Amino acid sequence: ETGVTQSPTHLIKTRGQQVTLRCSSQSGHNTVSWYQQALGQGPQFIFQYYREEENGRGNFPPRFSGLQFPNYSSELNVNALELDDSALYLCASSLLPRGASKNIQYFGAGTRLSVL
Amino acid sequence: GESVGLHLPTLSVQEGDNSIINCAYSNSASDYFIWYKQESGKGPQFIIDIRSNMDKRQGQRVTVLLNKTVKHLSLQIAATQPGDSAVYFCAEMRAAGNKLTFGGGTRVLVKP
Repeated sequence: ETGVTQSPTHLIKTRGQQVTLRCSSQSGHNTVSWYQQALGQGPQFIFQYYREEENGRGNFPPRFSGLQFPNYSSELNVNALELDDSALYLCASSLLPRGASKNIQYFGAGTRLSVL
Repeated sequence: GESVGLHLPTLSVQEGDNSIINCAYSNSASDYFIWYKQESGKGPQFIIDIRSNMDKRQGQRVTVLLNKTVKHLSLQIAATQPGDSAVYFCAEMRAAGNKLTFGGGTRVLVKP
């Protein structure tokens, strides 16, 4: 177990709706990264939050947004859901800044989102 | 462009044999590589990592080899067990980066 928890585990939404996914990071970690994993593919980086601010973003539209809270937990919000948003959403926690020590990202089990 | 690719989508191996999973990357700026294992219904689980200033690193039953000349890395699993059945991903991170770029994954099937 990584100590990274995500909720909910499964979610069904209809096109056009909005969704909020939640992630609690591992104890001692200050950074949360979000990834989208389509069926049969590797995870794709959405964005990362460090010290409550966005610290890098992948190739995702602005309707994907996030938050990080003082306790380092995080939310991923997706507005105007599209069918292609159906995927496993993974969050990973890590400790920044990078240095000589490891910066391994530890993943939660993910939230399976289905958009109908 | 940036990409991390896997050579084979599926690897079938006899229990007890060694497994070798290959991965190619294209970005010379990549300086940190991680192998993850993902079982059905679970998130990726860290296996082993290697920095670009090394060419080999060993863990428990696993060895990662890095060949920077041809931008290739491999994961070797010794004495493969049924519990090793999963999808294996290589991922890379650049020196000043913060995101992991994953390959498409290789599914390892262990035959009894």
